[in-house]
Amino acid sequence: KAGVTQTPRYLIKTRGQQVTLSCSPISGHRSVSWYQQTPGQGLQFLFEYFSETQRNKGNFPGRFSGRQFSNSRSEMNVSTLELGDSALYLCASSLGEEGQPQHFGDGTRLSIL
Amino acid sequence: AQTVTQSQPEMSVQEAETVTLSCTYDTSENNYYLFWYKQPPSRQMILVIRQEAYKQQNATENRFSVNFQKAAKSFSLKISDSQLGDTAMYFCAFTSGNQFYFGTGTSLTVIP
Repeated sequence: KAGVTQTPRYLIKTRGQQVTLSCSPISGHRSVSWYQQTPGQGLQFLFEYFSETQRNKGNFPGRFSGRQFSNSRSEMNVSTLELGDSALYLCASSLGEEGQPQHFGDGTRLSIL
Repeated sequence: AQTVTQSQPEMSVQEAETVTLSCTYDTSENNYYLFWYKQPPSRQMILVIRQEAYKQQNATENRFSVNFQKAAKSFSLKISDSQLGDTAMYFCAFTSGNQFYFGTGTSLTVIP
């Protein structure tokens, strides 16, 4: 079974631009969560989608948004990029039921110049 | 609010020795799940072990075992016979419902 696939692996953008990251979950998984990982901060939860609906949301500004499609693939969009948005963005999928573990992708490394 | 605390930012252990990584959490929930994840350098985060709060028996996976103390809200990870491939960031995680909460991680280095 294929794992969680995130594209692209690396991105370089400049301040003020916007970016879209993509995540394809493991086949059969209906839940997709997004995290921002920076050194010293650990994993900061952005949001979780389940069956095309945002089910949980972290404490990030509205510049961070996401969506999920009917095939469970998810996209995350960040608008008006800031230097502080430089991070590794991780996507994780799960069956979506309580207590089920999350399975992570390799992440997208976003650098803002 | 749920919080997960890992108080050891960095640790090291000699190859073949045993090391314990600490994790505490705070919750008012009675039914929840705890996890340890491993993130090797520049590699994918993978699940190490999972514990269900309603089970008193500590989970084990080969060389990895946990010491789950529900009353103390403590969930430590013991790695026996440490190997060079165990060098990684280790994250403790908590979930009750569908949202996961992660600690800030412990960087473990296994010294040959």
